[in-house]
Amino acid sequence: EVQLVQSGAEVKKPGESLKISCKTSGYSFSSYWIGWVRQMPGKGLEWMGIIYPGDSDTRYSPSFQGQVTISADKSSSTAYLQWSSLKASDTAMYYCARRGYFDSSHYGGFDYWGQGALVTVSS
Amino acid sequence: EVVMTQSPATLSVSPGERATLSCRASQSVNSNLAWYQQKPGQAPRLVIYRASTRATGVPARFSGSGSGTEFTLTISSLSSEDFAIYYCQQYNIWPLTFGGGSKVEIK
Repeated sequence: EVQLVQSGAEVKKPGESLKISCKTSGYSFSSYWIGWVRQMPGKGLEWMGIIYPGDSDTRYSPSFQGQVTISADKSSSTAYLQWSSLKASDTAMYYCARRGYFDSSHYGGFDYWGQGALVTVSS
Repeated sequence: EVVMTQSPATLSVSPGERATLSCRASQSVNSNLAWYQQKPGQAPRLVIYRASTRATGVPARFSGSGSGTEFTLTISSLSSEDFAIYYCQQYNIWPLTFGGGSKVEIK
């Protein structure tokens, strides 16, 4: 059974650093893209970026490039999203999700999702 | 980047009725489009990929159509569990982008 289990809720102060995790199981971690999606309170989904653990190929949305870092550890089948200096505007729910690979030929949308990690940044 | 525009923002429908949601891309994304359903307090769930293929476990009352820049998600006969927010996402061109969402509410 494919599972993506995210780390717990965080409460941080502006300027602090943070690294949240997404531990996966039930499939070959190296063979699927893992992405991150932000959802600010009461708002829609925003695609932040994605990593292919097999070769660490990483793509970012221009909106998030330079603001966050996405990484992956093949030894623990875990993906990470990190900030070096949080802002109040980073307050949101963050989801990790696996990009599906269908019919052995088609990369598609996100077929499995983590439960989300709520990050609150407040002084 | 490809801008995805969904309409309507909110659709009020009675159970048993048909719901039709639209998604427009600012440039062609071929058939590389997915639809997601999100209920309050839950992670999104993949409903449709490749514009018209239902994801595993999705009821047959959900159907997707379109290619290029115009796409439609149709729910043929709304069930109580279908009231939710629906998002489209293109995955043809980096960065992959979501639409703003369409809320299907009970009339």
